[in-house]
Amino acid sequence: GAGVSQSPRYKVAKRGQDVALRCDPISGHVSLFWYQQALGQGPEFLTYFQNEAQLDKSGLPSDRFFAERPEGSVSTLKIQRTQQEDSAVYLCASSPPLRGGGREQFFGPGTRLTVL
Amino acid sequence: GDSVTQMEGPVTLSEEAFLTINCTYTATGYPSLFWYVQYPGEGLQLLLKATKADDKGSNKGFEATYRKETTSFHLEKGSVQVSDSAVYFCAPGGATNKLIFGTGTLLAVQP
Repeated sequence: GAGVSQSPRYKVAKRGQDVALRCDPISGHVSLFWYQQALGQGPEFLTYFQNEAQLDKSGLPSDRFFAERPEGSVSTLKIQRTQQEDSAVYLCASSPPLRGGGREQFFGPGTRLTVL
Repeated sequence: GDSVTQMEGPVTLSEEAFLTINCTYTATGYPSLFWYVQYPGEGLQLLLKATKADDKGSNKGFEATYRKETTSFHLEKGSVQVSDSAVYFCAPGGATNKLIFGTGTLLAVQP
């Protein structure tokens, strides 16, 4: 079946431009996560949605970062006034509606953002 | 806050050698523990998991045991293959089930 998809796969932006990254989770997955992965590092948590509610945005690095999931399905991560330090791979993951811990997160291929 | 310390790479082994990648964590409560793998040119995928103390996760010949007393979740495989070459990430599940990733360990298996 279809996995998590992300678009665009690659994005080059000039410093100061706004970008929008899209995530299509697996159908029926309630939880959706965004992570940022710098080169040579592990992914770092940005934000978490349960359906349309953003329950945790503690990992967003600044107020230039904004995420939404208005209908509880597709999510968009927006970065305003991009800076060179925003260059990274942005990963989206979704997980099914199971109680408790141990829920596997299914990852998309990521969007590689390069800010010049 | 929650954190994870993972064995630094790269780890270079010959085919059929024994593999251990160490992982220790600090977390509130008793998180679920995961190992994810990233093969060259592919996305992150779950390798194995354990949800409570003394649980052993296993998959594709890899194993890891949830050790609460040492807060560890070391990854092992008895005989590695060239196809196991990848980056391996240890990740406890923190509050709200977000994953706390280590820096990753690059494994290179030579024929």
